[in-house]
Amino acid sequence: DGGITQSPKYLFRKEGQNVTLSCEQNLNHDAMYWYRQDPGQGLRLIYYSQIVNDFQKGDIAEGYSVSREKKESFPLTVTSAQKNPTAFYLCASSPRGLANTGELFFGEGSRLTVL
Amino acid sequence: QQQVKQSPQSLIVQKGGISIINCAYENTAFDYFPWYQQFPGKGPALLIAIRPDVSEKKEGRFTISFNKSAKQFSLHIMDSQPGDSATYFCAARGVDSNYQLIWGAGTKLIIKP
Repeated sequence: DGGITQSPKYLFRKEGQNVTLSCEQNLNHDAMYWYRQDPGQGLRLIYYSQIVNDFQKGDIAEGYSVSREKKESFPLTVTSAQKNPTAFYLCASSPRGLANTGELFFGEGSRLTVL
Repeated sequence: QQQVKQSPQSLIVQKGGISIINCAYENTAFDYFPWYQQFPGKGPALLIAIRPDVSEKKEGRFTISFNKSAKQFSLHIMDSQPGDSATYFCAARGVDSNYQLIWGAGTKLIIKP
């Protein structure tokens, strides 16, 4: 089935450690996104990529890094520089950039807890 | 900073009733207004969307009403069912922000049987 797969679903990390969240899509979508979701807040954009080997910072990119070496994959690294990393992270994709289509397709999320 | 304000934060409706969620925006450079539905432990999914040249859009039991002059839009769920219990997010696509979505804070809807 086509879709977006995020892993792991749950992740615990000690302070000072980097952690990488995986996002893979088999929808053949050009654009991919990472959002952070905190209770009582809307989704906030961390990074997005509209083509392979290119990505742009979103509203809250500090303390995060990404890569887009393959069309299907857009991993997110939460670095030790992120001051408050405990959150629910959502990966999404769209067929082309959001200027062409407004619909985002989301994965099921990864919940990161920093101990 | 562009904002989308969503209310109420939570809502309880009896089965068969009408659920109404409201959003207001502060920037006129938005060109597309989607609503997403999110069940616990899942990612959001597009429910219905509207463009500002239309005042109302209906899909089944779900209707978006759009008031361009007031910069407000709302989601109405008719004949609400327990299966509609979820968190609902409104969003607005910013023409001035590379067409990225600005999200409301979400409304947790509970439909009581």
